[in-house]
Amino acid sequence: KAGVTQTPRYLIKTRGQQVTLSCSPISGHRSVSWYQQTPGQGLQFLFEYFSETQRNKGNFPGRFSGRQFSNSRSEMNVSTLELGDSALYLCASSGYGGLETQYFGPGTRLLVL
Amino acid sequence: QQPVQSPQAVILREGEDAVINCSSSKALYSVHWYRQKHGEAPIFLMILLKGGEQKGHDKISASFNEKKQQSSLYLTASQLSYSGTYFCGTEGGRIQGAQKLVFGQGTRLTINP
Repeated sequence: KAGVTQTPRYLIKTRGQQVTLSCSPISGHRSVSWYQQTPGQGLQFLFEYFSETQRNKGNFPGRFSGRQFSNSRSEMNVSTLELGDSALYLCASSGYGGLETQYFGPGTRLLVL
Repeated sequence: QQPVQSPQAVILREGEDAVINCSSSKALYSVHWYRQKHGEAPIFLMILLKGGEQKGHDKISASFNEKKQQSSLYLTASQLSYSGTYFCGTEGGRIQGAQKLVFGQGTRLTINP
């Protein structure tokens, strides 16, 4: 099976702009989680989607949003970018039911100038 | 509540053993272990359920002590390929199947020849 894919891999934006990141889960996986990774804060949970519904949300401002499509692909959007949003954004997919392993994609590295 | 990992960093010679600990202040439903190499996505190692179950493959194993809310990762006869940052991700429970991992700050493991 192909792994989790994320596009784009690298992105440079300026403050105030908005950005949309995309994640395609492993075929058959219905859950997609998003994480932000920074040297200072580590890996932090953003939100999780399952069957187009957000099931769980981390402690991030409303500028961070996401959605999931019927084919389980997911997008996350960050509006009004701030310098502190510079990070590696990782998505992870998992199946459904029971104890599920999360498989991570390669990430999108976002730099906000 | 973010789990606490110890040590923060460890340097070993090839063939030596290492133990990485992950402690939580909350009751745990499961513990997930990942290894991340610089510039790459976290790679899944194993999941442990509450109940003191020990798992392992190759020369990497882990235990989970529910009473102590602690998990330990054991690397025996370390190989150069074991170098990387190890993260534990914990779950306190699930609501309607929603999965949310809270990650520790990571333990940087360096294996020298």
